[in-house]
Amino acid sequence: GQNIDQPTEMTATEGAIVQINCTYQTSGFNGLFWYQQHAGEAPTFLSYNVLDGLEEKGRFSSFLSRSKGYSYLLLKELQMKDSASYLCAVLSGGSYIPTFGRGTSLIVHP
Amino acid sequence: DADVTQTPRNRITKTGKRIMLECSQTKGHDRMYWYRQDPGLGLQLIYYSFDVKDINKGEISDGYSVSRQAQAKFSLSLESAIPNQTALYFCATSEGASETQYFGPGTRLLVL
Repeated sequence: GQNIDQPTEMTATEGAIVQINCTYQTSGFNGLFWYQQHAGEAPTFLSYNVLDGLEEKGRFSSFLSRSKGYSYLLLKELQMKDSASYLCAVLSGGSYIPTFGRGTSLIVHP
Repeated sequence: DADVTQTPRNRITKTGKRIMLECSQTKGHDRMYWYRQDPGLGLQLIYYSFDVKDINKGEISDGYSVSRQAQAKFSLSLESAIPNQTALYFCATSEGASETQYFGPGTRLLVL
């Protein structure tokens, strides 16, 4: 089985930087996704990490350490529209079906 | 037009009723999935299908069934709805293993 842990809620100020952590315990790790989900809407893809290190994509970056079972999503220059839930999902085992964490609700205030 | 569509978008039904949620996609993906989302619980996998002849149970398949009518269509049925099946249901597709999932807009289901 898998155990994926994310903070339930975080708050941050517009213009600031926030780091959302995800830790996981799994066998046969194959990759890790981050999705963004605005309230009442569908999740949308942000990033995918399979190797250790930092992947940068505009204001969003994602980091992975396979040996530590740890990833984070870094959001820079926060905007009000970044208020959303951020879902960490881990691919493991032979089926390549992602298992989702419970998500982190990010609230950005002025 | 949206690549992944779900119908209906909202549904209210009564305990014991049979209902069907439908999902269609124009992305040409072989893999399709059904998830439910409850507040604070994230996305839980109900069923998934890797091609038209392949159906697999997910972590919470009890009380649900599915049908893969074509590559583009994957339906979820609740044979006898119960109140704890009240949730937001998402259909998703992906091209293959280790690939991004694309989600439909969701169906909000209320079972009274």
